[in-house]
Amino acid sequence: GAVVSQHPSWVICKSGTSVKIECRSLDFQATTMFWYRQFPKQSLMLMATSNEGSKATYEQGVEKDKFLINHASLTLSTLTVTSAHPEDSSFYICSARPAGTNTGELFFGEGSRLTVL
Amino acid sequence: GNSVTQMEGPVTLSEEAFLTINCTYTATGYPSLFWYVQYPGEGLQLLLKATKADDKGSNKGFEATYRKETTSFHLEKGSVQVSDSAVYFCALSAPNTGGFKTIFGAGTRLFVKA
Repeated sequence: GAVVSQHPSWVICKSGTSVKIECRSLDFQATTMFWYRQFPKQSLMLMATSNEGSKATYEQGVEKDKFLINHASLTLSTLTVTSAHPEDSSFYICSARPAGTNTGELFFGEGSRLTVL
Repeated sequence: GNSVTQMEGPVTLSEEAFLTINCTYTATGYPSLFWYVQYPGEGLQLLLKATKADDKGSNKGFEATYRKETTSFHLEKGSVQVSDSAVYFCALSAPNTGGFKTIFGAGTRLFVKA
């Protein structure tokens, strides 16, 4: 099946620094990728939809200047958490939908656990 | 709007027990339905799917049937194993402006005891 790779799988950073998380579709092209945040023992919260070659679409309540999303190619989207603070600590997951599919099936990355000290 | 409701967990079962995790949905039109599984510390993996009414999705001994009349997509397995311990998410995907939008249920945590 289609493979989505996320990197890094975990990261610890100091408060005030920025962290970049990459999401790559390894064997398919993805015009659309999604970024989620998951708190412990909770469901996924959609943060934004990343569209190749255009601006991301953010969900209500998600700060676009805080969570910068760039989808520069058909196989790569990045999420940058700017000026991170402890409350940004979370599990971030990306997913991708292969271009040309119409079933809505998503392929997920392994997740990236961010801890801000 | 579209929504997914699944039974609250955690669900604790002994090995070889029968599993049912209920999932109902609300949607306009004809969504596709999915079950995803998340093992500890990992992302989600597609477990099974059904794209139209009366379709049965199956994988690794798990099954779910798309029931339009009851708007349900319950997950079942006849004999669970310890390795099935994970969080299970029911989801629907429906056409939305600019593409598909996926709605997830809250997730149901399953513990299987040896």
